[in-house]
Amino acid sequence: GDSVTQMEGPVTLSEEAFLTINCTYTATGYPSLFWYVQYPGEGLQLLLKATKADDKGSNKGFEATYRKETTSFHLEKGSVQVSDSAVYFCALDHQGGSEKLVFGKGTKLTVNP
Amino acid sequence: DTAVSQTPKYLVTQMGNDKSIKCEQNLGHDTMYWYKQDSKKFLKIMFSYNNKELIINETVPNRFSPKSPDKAHLNLHINSLELGDSAVYFCATSHGTDNQPQHFGDGTRLSIL
Repeated sequence: GDSVTQMEGPVTLSEEAFLTINCTYTATGYPSLFWYVQYPGEGLQLLLKATKADDKGSNKGFEATYRKETTSFHLEKGSVQVSDSAVYFCALDHQGGSEKLVFGKGTKLTVNP
Repeated sequence: DTAVSQTPKYLVTQMGNDKSIKCEQNLGHDTMYWYKQDSKKFLKIMFSYNNKELIINETVPNRFSPKSPDKAHLNLHINSLELGDSAVYFCATSHGTDNQPQHFGDGTRLSIL
């Protein structure tokens, strides 16, 4: 079945450091890909998405590019802030009408001042 | 106004009890979901409803029974609670078509004593 694998956390960075969180997927067909963020005590919020190969999703300084050849959707940010501390989830949208999101296990990011 | 609201936010109860969690959305979305997030933050879909009809049931014990009285509500009733049911339960909604992001509630933290 479909699956998402993302790098194990936790990740701890200093403010203004470069962030990469790796995400790879296995899926039949051509799924849409998402990054969701969960701040402490809150639900998940959509961070960015990409719906087809070579699409780049971006939001709040975060970017991820849909790479079909490597089945990857790595999340990057050039300069992280303390307020970016959260858990980040990579997800794919199972195609074919079931609208089911399959999530990776989440990566906890802590940014220190 | 909160787009997807869940009640209660916290629920502490004893093994063997029956409890319900409610979810309401004001986004006009056709599809609603329940997810379970375990202590390691792993998120897994449980159910999804489209226009009050069940479309996903992911091998969840039949002690869990979702009920959708109308398009804006999806409640989750759990019978005979077990220790392993302790988790955070998230309600989510979407337009129900491919590529559309899901909008999450803030979660209900269920603790079984």
